[in-house]
Amino acid sequence: NAGVTQTPKFRVLKTGQSMTLLCAQDMNHEYMYWYRQDPGMGLRLIHYSVGEGTTAKGEVPDGYNVSRLKKQNFLLGLESAAPSQTSVYFCASSYPTGLAGPSSYNEQFFGPGTRLTVL
Amino acid sequence: GEDVEQSLFLSVREGDSSVINCTYTDSSSTYLYWYKQEPGAGLQLLTYIFSNMDMKQDQRLTVLLNKKDKHLSLRIADTQTGDSAIYFCAESSSASKIIFGSGTRLSIRP
Repeated sequence: NAGVTQTPKFRVLKTGQSMTLLCAQDMNHEYMYWYRQDPGMGLRLIHYSVGEGTTAKGEVPDGYNVSRLKKQNFLLGLESAAPSQTSVYFCASSYPTGLAGPSSYNEQFFGPGTRLTVL
Repeated sequence: GEDVEQSLFLSVREGDSSVINCTYTDSSSTYLYWYKQEPGAGLQLLTYIFSNMDMKQDQRLTVLLNKKDKHLSLRIADTQTGDSAIYFCAESSSASKIIFGSGTRLSIRP
C-alpha cells in the first residue's frame, strides 16, 4: 500500500496563476482532508470530504476549491494564486469508527506534503 | 469555538524526560491524540487516549489527561535525538474533523 500520496512535491507559481494539487489514497477511506501548515499556526483545515461527490468548507476555504469525483482522489485547486497562499499543503484521509460525532475514533493518515511558493 | 493550545518550543537534554503540554476547550471530545511530524514529512499518529482514561502508557510514552482542567500532556522518557520533531496535540471536534494545536517543536541538546 502506498498510503496517501500527493503530487507535486514542490511548486513555484506567479501571482494570478492557477494550479491543482492531487491527493490519492489506496486505503478505501471515506473521509479526506486538505490542510495548510504555516509557521506557528499549526494545521488549518481548508476543505474536507466525507465521501465521493461531497465536499465541505473548513476553517480557511477562501481562494481554494476542491473536488472528490472518485473516492480515492481529492483535488485542491487554486484559481488565482496569491502570495498569502505560500504554504505547505497536506492531504489526509481517515475512516472514523465507533459512534458518530466527537465520540468517533478518527485517526488521520497524512501525505508527505506539497511545498507551494507564490511569487 | 474549539481551540487547542500548546507551547511552540521545548528543549531538553538527551536522556532526560520531555513533557509536552496541551490545553483544549471541547469537553465533548472523546478521543485526544498526539501526532508527530518529522522534518520534511507529514504527521503520523503517535498515540491517543480515550476520555474516560486518566493515563495511558506505551513504552517510553506516557499520556496524562486531566478532564476537569482540559489538560493533556505527553511525556517521553529517556529522550533520544530521534525524538526531535514537532508534536501536535489534537481533539476530535465532530464526526468528521479533528482540531490540531499549533505544534511543539522538541529539540534535543547533547
